[in-house]
Amino acid sequence: GENVEQHPSTLSVQEGDSAVIKCTYSDSASNYFPWYKQELGKGPQLIIDIRSNVGEKKDQRIAVTLNKTAKHFSLHITETQPEDSAVYFCAATSGGGADGLTFGKGTHLIIQP
Amino acid sequence: DTAVSQTPKYLVTQMGNDKSIKCEQNLGHDTMYWYKQDSKKFLKIMFSYNNKELIINETVPNRFSPKSPDKAHLNLHINSLELGDSAVYFCASSPLGRELFFGEGSRLTVL
Repeated sequence: GENVEQHPSTLSVQEGDSAVIKCTYSDSASNYFPWYKQELGKGPQLIIDIRSNVGEKKDQRIAVTLNKTAKHFSLHITETQPEDSAVYFCAATSGGGADGLTFGKGTHLIIQP
Repeated sequence: DTAVSQTPKYLVTQMGNDKSIKCEQNLGHDTMYWYKQDSKKFLKIMFSYNNKELIINETVPNRFSPKSPDKAHLNLHINSLELGDSAVYFCASSPLGRELFFGEGSRLTVL
């Protein structure tokens, strides 16, 4: 089955700086890679996703890149703000959507004022 | 309007008891899920269910059983609770297997 590794487990950055979270996956058939943000006391919420036919996707301050050859994908957050503090999860699946998602172990992002 | 709602939000119980967590979604989605999040924040699928098929993660003990009275509800029943069942349980729904919409979670503590 799929195995998703996520690094780092904790990331502390100064407000205004950029943050990068990296994930690797094992199943070359995986074709859908979402990122979820979980705020304290809440359920995870989708913030961006990418499919295997695209190398990069951007939405305002958030971008995701995918390297299929190396089987890794990354989340980039620019101009970080206090409200970006949360736990971020990457995930992967060969099912093309929500079914069969394997999540990484999460990254606790801390934005220092 | 809450899209995916779970009750109760907190549940404290003794080992050996049987408990249920209820989940309702008002999004009209076809598929519902139960996820378990342990103390290290690791998210793991337990079940996925639509009106045709129940898919069970093979690592889930058979003390856990989902029950769906209708398309908008997927309840989780747990028998003979054990200490290791303590976790946050998330219900989620999805339209045709696309984005997951999570509830706010139910924190279960087994004493």
